[in-house]
Amino acid sequence: GAVVSQHPSRVICKSGTSVKIECRSLDFQATTMFWYRQFPKQSLMLMATSNEGSKATYEQGVEKDKFLINHASLTLSTLTVTSAHPEDSSFYICSGRHRDRVSGANVLTFGAGSRLTVL
Amino acid sequence: LAKTTQPISMDSYEGQEVNITCSHNNIATNDYITWYQQFPSQGPRFIIQGYKTKVTNEVASLFIPADRKSSTLSLPRVSLSDTAVYYCLVGDALSNTGKLIFGQGTTLQVKP
Repeated sequence: GAVVSQHPSRVICKSGTSVKIECRSLDFQATTMFWYRQFPKQSLMLMATSNEGSKATYEQGVEKDKFLINHASLTLSTLTVTSAHPEDSSFYICSGRHRDRVSGANVLTFGAGSRLTVL
Repeated sequence: LAKTTQPISMDSYEGQEVNITCSHNNIATNDYITWYQQFPSQGPRFIIQGYKTKVTNEVASLFIPADRKSSTLSLPRVSLSDTAVYYCLVGDALSNTGKLIFGQGTTLQVKP
């Protein structure tokens, strides 16, 4: 089945530094990838929609200059948290959209997530 | 985007059948219903998807009434490892421009 590889799984950084998270679709081409963040005991919050070869679309309240998204190929999207601060500490999850073989409709396959801790 | 409403939590015992119902009164014509499972500190995992009537796969069944304003995820004979958060999502799954918004989800606790 479809697999999305997300790295790193855990990262600890100092306040003010930048962190890059990679999301790769291993056996399908993801024209569209979505980035979510999740705080403890809360649901996933959509941050942005990443389309291959074009600028990402950010959800309201998400700073595009702080959360840089690049989707340069059909199998790779990256999220860079710039000048990270402790309040950016969260669980970041990417997902790739593809067609389900049974229903023929789009489904999302998620990466394992990246736990970011900013000291 | 259709909003979904699910119970916040449910308890069950091993070996029982669990049914989780999701309400989506504003579902649109092109919207599909998709359920995901999430374990702590992991990304969500696809369980099942459907448009109408009944869909069954190796892990679950999805029941959708004719008006499509609700759906029920059925997990047969749950085990302790089924303890997780279950999300019901509704969205246009045929368009390449749609996006999926997560609701609160249902935390299922399976007890021995």
